[in-house]
Amino acid sequence: DGGITQSPKYLFRKEGQNVTLSCEQNLNHDAMYWYRQDPGQGLRLIYYSQIVNDFQKGDIAEGYSVSREKKESFPLTVTSAQKNPTAFYLCASSGGGGFGETQYFGPGTRLLVL
Amino acid sequence: AQTVTQSQPEMSVQEAETVTLSCTYDTSESDYYLFWYKQPPSRQMILVIRQEAYKQQNATENRFSVNFQKAAKSFSLKISDSQLGDAAMYFCALVGTYKYIFGTGTRLKVLA
Repeated sequence: DGGITQSPKYLFRKEGQNVTLSCEQNLNHDAMYWYRQDPGQGLRLIYYSQIVNDFQKGDIAEGYSVSREKKESFPLTVTSAQKNPTAFYLCASSGGGGFGETQYFGPGTRLLVL
Repeated sequence: AQTVTQSQPEMSVQEAETVTLSCTYDTSESDYYLFWYKQPPSRQMILVIRQEAYKQQNATENRFSVNFQKAAKSFSLKISDSQLGDAAMYFCALVGTYKYIFGTGTRLKVLA
């Protein structure tokens, strides 16, 4: 089955620690995205990538970093500079038809700070 | 700046009845797309319906349809013959040139 996988489902971060969230897709999509979801708020875009080896900052990129070395993978690192990382993180992908293509989402990762 | 407003934090509907969720937006872009996504308790976002702004015709998908009023910048979602499985958070989203803005969501409860 084609789809998007995210791991782990739950992740715990200690103060000052960097953690990496995994996102893999086998839909052969060119574009991939990372969103953050907080209670009572909609999704906010962290980073997106339209093609391998290229990515752009979204609205709340501070304290986060990404890489796109393979078409299938778009890992997100939450760095120690992100002071309030507790949230639900969603990864998505879309085909290469332009910015209006439908995004398909993974099941999400919940990040908690110890 | 682009904005999306969902003014109904929560709605309830009786099973088999019809409900309409409202969404208003603002954008200066001439080319944009509008979406409704559903987030059930599993929290995985699922596409409900997509509308291309340049198309006059309202999008429909089985029991789901939209009322797209471009001049009024309104994009409401109508769910007909509501089912228990429709209970979820519904998010309206506006996509301009690689700008992705989501509303704060409407929680829909379906009463048996």
